[in-house]
Amino acid sequence: QKEVEQNSGPLSVPEGAIASLNCTYSDRGSQSFFWYRQYSGKSPELIMSIYSNGDKEDGRFTAQLNKASQYVSLLIRDSQPSDSATYLCAVRFTGGGNKLTFGTGTQLKVEL
Amino acid sequence: EAQVTQNPRYLITVTGKKLTVTCSQNMNHEYMSWYRQDPGLGLRQIYYSMNVEVTDKGDVPEGYKVSRKEKRNFPLILESPSPNQTSLYFCASALGRADNEQFFGPGTRLTVL
Repeated sequence: QKEVEQNSGPLSVPEGAIASLNCTYSDRGSQSFFWYRQYSGKSPELIMSIYSNGDKEDGRFTAQLNKASQYVSLLIRDSQPSDSATYLCAVRFTGGGNKLTFGTGTQLKVEL
Repeated sequence: EAQVTQNPRYLITVTGKKLTVTCSQNMNHEYMSWYRQDPGLGLRQIYYSMNVEVTDKGDVPEGYKVSRKEKRNFPLILESPSPNQTSLYFCASALGRADNEQFFGPGTRLTVL
């Protein structure tokens, strides 16, 4: 069974701090990695995708991928209360068909 | 407005009574998918479709059926619902394949008594 693991949290950070969210996955050959954000009572929405080792930046968000260690992380700089949500890591596993496997999500709380 | 719609949004039913949850997208996406979301278990894929008449099982397909007769529609069918299918269901669509951005519908909260 191919798995995606996340710490469920909640992760609490003060406003303006850097929030660091981590995700590990079970298949070293996987190629596609995603971070979705889900506000309470709402549907998930894509924040970042990353396909190669290293960092990918988009505004206040940076995704980091380390395939050798099988982890992907999401950094949120200058965290705002509006960033409070659950962050879902998703992986498209090699040989797993055309589907995504999601982690259980990490709840982030940004406190004033 | 580009969107994925689901109906109904809320449904309470009884064990064994067949039901259908509809999903429609207006973005001309080839890829459509159904997920269920449960506390502690996260978002799990039920079925997906690459295009009209092309469907495949996800990770938790037991007890569900799907069909894709038109590109825009991807209904989820529970022929004999059971209480363990009580969940929050999301439909999603994407251009071409799963690892393009998936756009999610608003969700359907189903309770099976």
